[in-house]
Amino acid sequence: EDQVTQSPEALRLQEGESSSLNCSYTVSGLRGLFWYRQDPGKGPEFLFTLYSAGEEKEKERLKATLTKKESFLHITAPKPEDSATYLCAVRGSGNTPLVFGKGTRLSVIA
Amino acid sequence: NAGVTQTPKFQVLKTGQSMTLQCAQDMNHEYMSWYRQDPGMGLRLIHYSVGAGITDQGEVPNGYNVSRSTTEDFPLRLLSAAPSQTSVYFCASSYSVGATEAFFGQGTRLTVV
Repeated sequence: EDQVTQSPEALRLQEGESSSLNCSYTVSGLRGLFWYRQDPGKGPEFLFTLYSAGEEKEKERLKATLTKKESFLHITAPKPEDSATYLCAVRGSGNTPLVFGKGTRLSVIA
Repeated sequence: NAGVTQTPKFQVLKTGQSMTLQCAQDMNHEYMSWYRQDPGMGLRLIHYSVGAGITDQGEVPNGYNVSRSTTEDFPLRLLSAAPSQTSVYFCASSYSVGATEAFFGQGTRLTVV
């Protein structure tokens, strides 16, 4: 059974204080690992897809990395507008749909 | 290009009532799915479809029905609403069942009293 565990559950940062969010996963035949951002009252918004260990993707202050067992979302010099819940999901082999972790709620304080 | 559209945005039901949550996408995506999101539980899969006429159960299918008569639409039916079905429901679609990202609607907040 595919599983995703995200840590920490919540993270509070000062503006400019860099940190990382963790996503540990077990999956049968990884076809992709996905990062989403979710703002209160909104649907998840796609950020990145990673396909194989060693791959990295960047977007503004965010960088996602992937190993065979986990992924990290690094946030460099965050701003208050980066405050959101960040969700990690995996897609395994066959027709299996996305399996999500419970998310990390990030608060960036000015 | 509207993406994934869900209606209604908010709904209050009485226990035992039935209703249909609507989901439509205009991206010609084959793969569509329904999730519910509850505090502390994350997103849990209810039902999904890999194409018109094909549906399958997810992690929490009890109390819900789906059908997929067209590529564009994937309605979720609550047969007899229960307070345990109070949740936020999200519909998602993706181009294929392969390693492609899913696009989400804005959600339907359902309260069953």
